[in-house]
Amino acid sequence: EDKVVQSPLSLVVHEGDTVTLNCSYEVTNFRSLLWYKQEKKAPTFLFMLTSSGIEKKSGRLSSILDKKELFSILNITATQTGDSAVYLCAVKTGPDSNYQLIWGAGTKLIIKP
Amino acid sequence: DGGITQSPKYLFRKEGQNVTLSCEQNLNHDAMYWYRQDPGQGLRLIYYSQIVNDFQKGDIAEGYSVSREKKESFPLTVTSAQKNPTAFYLCASSPDSSSYNSPLHFGNGTRLTVT
Repeated sequence: EDKVVQSPLSLVVHEGDTVTLNCSYEVTNFRSLLWYKQEKKAPTFLFMLTSSGIEKKSGRLSSILDKKELFSILNITATQTGDSAVYLCAVKTGPDSNYQLIWGAGTKLIIKP
Repeated sequence: DGGITQSPKYLFRKEGQNVTLSCEQNLNHDAMYWYRQDPGQGLRLIYYSQIVNDFQKGDIAEGYSVSREKKESFPLTVTSAQKNPTAFYLCASSPDSSSYNSPLHFGNGTRLTVT
């Protein structure tokens, strides 16, 4: 059975700290891995990763995929209170015409001022 | 601005009543999706539609129904047959279901409480 596991489930750090969130997966026919940020309402898209070893970066956030070890990490440096959110990881699997999205349970990140 | 609008934001219903959640998008997307989000669990797919007048069951379709009469609209009905309907419901869309390089766009969700 396809599955996506995120760790930790929750994390509390102080403003300015660096955090690393993990997403491991076991799926057939991997297509891509996506990261979303959810602040109480609509998840908003962060990154899509399809190739191993290529870092995607957006400001203080970065992410990388390891297709050999079947995981991805999301790094946030110099955290701010606005980074507090649930971070969701999802993996796309299956053929182009009818792909599936397998979602992890999310990591709840709390940044203390 | 283009986006997805879900209404209402909060909904309270008595057990045994059917309830319909609205989802409208003006992104001109072909594909639309309904997810359910429960604490400590990943998003679970209820129904999806790849094109107008067509839809397919997702992983947890029992107790739910949908329609797709217009491209912009994909309402979800939670029926009395759904055993545990209290949850946060998210609607999403994408340009088409085969464009696996396009991420989903989400609405702000509807929190349904059934007592």
